[in-house]
Amino acid sequence: ELKVEQNPLFLSMQEGKNYTIYCNYSTTSDRLYWYRQDPGKSLESLFVLLSNGAVKQEGRLMASLDTKARLSTLHITAAVHDLSATYFCAVDGSTDKLIFGTGTRLQVFP
Amino acid sequence: SQTIHQWPATLVQPVGSPLSLECTVEGTSNPNLYWYRQAAGRGLQLLFYSVGIGQISSEVPQNLSASRPQDRQFILSSKKLLLSDSGFYLCAWSVIRVGGNTEAFFGQGTRLTVV
Repeated sequence: ELKVEQNPLFLSMQEGKNYTIYCNYSTTSDRLYWYRQDPGKSLESLFVLLSNGAVKQEGRLMASLDTKARLSTLHITAAVHDLSATYFCAVDGSTDKLIFGTGTRLQVFP
Repeated sequence: SQTIHQWPATLVQPVGSPLSLECTVEGTSNPNLYWYRQAAGRGLQLLFYSVGIGQISSEVPQNLSASRPQDRQFILSSKKLLLSDSGFYLCAWSVIRVGGNTEAFFGQGTRLTVV
């Protein structure tokens, strides 16, 4: 059974600081996705990583995928308040199932 | 362009009442369709997914059922709601492209409160 774990679950960080969110998964998959969820809202797609070594960047966020280690990272550079949200990774299982991680709730303070 | 519609946005239902949530997708054919539930402050739990009309896979035993009567329509139902059915229900779709599925695109969600 595919399991997807994220850490940390909660992250409180000061504006301007850098930090990394980790996403580990238990079975082989070449496709991993990152989503953002604002409070009370639906999920917004951030990144699609489709191969080993894939790296995508958008603004202050950068995502990477290491399929051999079954690990993806979401790196935050010089955090700003607007990045406060919950971030989810999701892995494509072998039977068209998309399994989500536990989520990382990020709070950026001045 | 593709869009996904999910309704209603909020719903308050008494225990023991029936439930029907509907999701439709426009602008694509033969999508994979998903129902997820999110408890307050928690992650997403996959409830059902469907790869075609009438094809439903259930992920967890529960008080809910799903149906796909048309290619781009996915319905989540219950005959008798329980308090534990409260949560944020999200419908999503993806399609198979060369190299695998696209990412899933989500509807706006239905916040269900069972009282």
